[in-house]
Amino acid sequence: EVQLVESGGGLVQPGGSLRLSCAASGFTFSSYWMSWVRQAPGKGLEWVANIKQDGSEKYYVDSVKGRFTISRDNAKNSLYLQMNSLRAEDTAVYYCAREGMATIDYWGQGTLVTVSS
Amino acid sequence: QSALTQPPSASGSPGQSVTISCTGTSSDVGGYNYVSWYQQHPGKAPKLMIYEVSKRPSGVPDRFSGSKSGNTASLTVSGLQAEDEADYYCSSYAASLIFGGGTKLTVL
Repeated sequence: EVQLVESGGGLVQPGGSLRLSCAASGFTFSSYWMSWVRQAPGKGLEWVANIKQDGSEKYYVDSVKGRFTISRDNAKNSLYLQMNSLRAEDTAVYYCAREGMATIDYWGQGTLVTVSS
Repeated sequence: QSALTQPPSASGSPGQSVTISCTGTSSDVGGYNYVSWYQQHPGKAPKLMIYEVSKRPSGVPDRFSGSKSGNTASLTVSGLQAEDEADYYCSSYAASLIFGGGTKLTVL
């Protein structure tokens, strides 16, 4: 059974940093592109970033470029999102997600990031 | 890229059929057969219901079907059941993954 478990969310002040982690199990992690997708409270879904199987390619939505960094450790079956210079508009539930079948086929349960003073 | 356009709400009575639309452009929905649909119940993670326009993952009831015409994709839920009440999001892969704004489906 595919499982994606996020951690690391919490309350942070504007301008602060946070690192999200995602522990993957139930599939061969190193064989899949992985993504982070976020959902602001009461709003829709927004793709944030993704990373190739070996980490050699990374892509970001324009609003987080230069502030967020996606990475992975295939030996630990883990995905990460380093978030710096956080803004109020980054407040959201962040989902770790597996890419498959030309879409996102599995989602974690999400971790809430709140940026507020 | 702009978000895909979905109606904010849709509704139907148990047993009826309802169709939700998702409109994009020739650069996303119209240009690729990579349209997906997700179901999201309150407080839960999204669940993939349809991929590549009309394919169903294992375990998704055949009451859910997808189609596309030009720049508009559609999700049809037949034989509505109470548990189908949820938010539904479409997505399309183009240069990156983009989502629709979501449609709240109410079972009357």
